[in-house]
Amino acid sequence: DAGVIQSPRHEVTEMGQEVTLRCKPISGHDYLFWYRQTMMRGLELLIYFNNNVPIDDSGMPEDRFSAKMPNASFSTLKIQPSEPRDSAVYFCASTPRAYTGELFFGEGSRLTVL
Amino acid sequence: AQKVTQAQTEISVVEKEDVTLDCVYETRDTTYYLFWYKQPPSGELVFLIRRNSFDEQNEISGRYSWNFQKSTSSFNFTITASQVVDSAVYFCALSEGQGGSEKLVFGKGTKLTVNP
Repeated sequence: DAGVIQSPRHEVTEMGQEVTLRCKPISGHDYLFWYRQTMMRGLELLIYFNNNVPIDDSGMPEDRFSAKMPNASFSTLKIQPSEPRDSAVYFCASTPRAYTGELFFGEGSRLTVL
Repeated sequence: AQKVTQAQTEISVVEKEDVTLDCVYETRDTTYYLFWYKQPPSGELVFLIRRNSFDEQNEISGRYSWNFQKSTSSFNFTITASQVVDSAVYFCALSEGQGGSEKLVFGKGTKLTVNP
């Protein structure tokens, strides 16, 4: 079975540009999470969805960040406009049952903003 | 507020050595869950274990073992007879309340390098 699929794997862009990261969760998983990983701050939860509905977006750094989940098999994380401090690895994860604590992670999207 | 501290930033061992990765946590809840995840060079995090605050029994899975001590707020992870394939970054994480994935707080991770 396919795992969580993220695209692009690597993105290099210039400050001010719009960036869209994509995620396809594992089929049947009702929960989807977006995490950001940096050396300074480690892994941070940005937002998570349950049945396509955003439940908690308190981790989204600012209004430049937005996330959507139009259907059960697709989610996007958008940064507009991007800034150099947004450079990080962005992970998408899904799970069928949030209470188990077992998240299934994608391989991440490494974003570099110049 | 909940917090997870992994004081060891990097550890390097020679194959077949035993190695222990430390994890210390802070929480005000009496019900909480602790986790370990592995991040191999390919990048994705892989779930290893979940323990609840009411179960202090040590757990062993093959060469992996976990020691949970509430008295010291620690949840340490030991790899016995380490192998090169164990090289990865290991994360300890904490979740309060129901123990779900919704609010996992991760430590900064410990990078383990196992040399042949």
